[in-house]
Amino acid sequence: DTAVSQTPKYLVTQMGNDKSIKCEQNLGHDTMYWYKQDSKKFLKIMFSYNNKELIINETVPNRFSPKSPDKAHLNLHINSLELGDSAVYFCASSNMWGDQETQYFGPGTRLLVL
Amino acid sequence: GESVGLHLPTLSVQEGDNSIINCAYSNSASDYFIWYKQESGKGPQFIIDIRSNMDKRQGQRVTVLLNKTVKHLSLQIAATQPGDSAVYFCAENSGGNQFYFGTGTSLTVIP
Repeated sequence: DTAVSQTPKYLVTQMGNDKSIKCEQNLGHDTMYWYKQDSKKFLKIMFSYNNKELIINETVPNRFSPKSPDKAHLNLHINSLELGDSAVYFCASSNMWGDQETQYFGPGTRLLVL
Repeated sequence: GESVGLHLPTLSVQEGDNSIINCAYSNSASDYFIWYKQESGKGPQFIIDIRSNMDKRQGQRVTVLLNKTVKHLSLQIAATQPGDSAVYFCAENSGGNQFYFGTGTSLTVIP
């Protein structure tokens, strides 16, 4: 049983396109995150949602728009894709915002913008 | 922003030897730390954590040491196995759920 799942696993697209990545967790957690990992493996948080409410919004271009339809899902929509958006995007979830809880990561979505 | 860095970007060890992966952090307010393991093509996986009221914590074949004086933590892996080959990250937290990750150390175990 997958705890945190993401689709698609691989995404290859042209510059200027709009794409979405989906994330679902079945852990019953109420906080979800999106991270970006660059080619040097550096992991940086992008967004965090707690109970469908945006909590963390790091300095991310407004071409990136997260959407949380319910506690178990956090999707990431990216408009007008650029070459620099190529990276691995990880979704994560944790229990209880405000506590220092371990985050559980999905398998990642490998985005390549051509 | 936070600065969490690792001293060595790559580490190669012989199978059966012990491995030590180091991490420096700059935020003296950080009081919770996690080590993650990321295998090729997978997401980071929790290994062990430690809070600032401790200086050592042991798990199964892994030990984390925390030195708050010099803002340094390390991950020790005993009897390293080929399955331990991965990138290891330390992550720091100073409250709430926002973690800052280090750049990662790539561990290669030589059979």
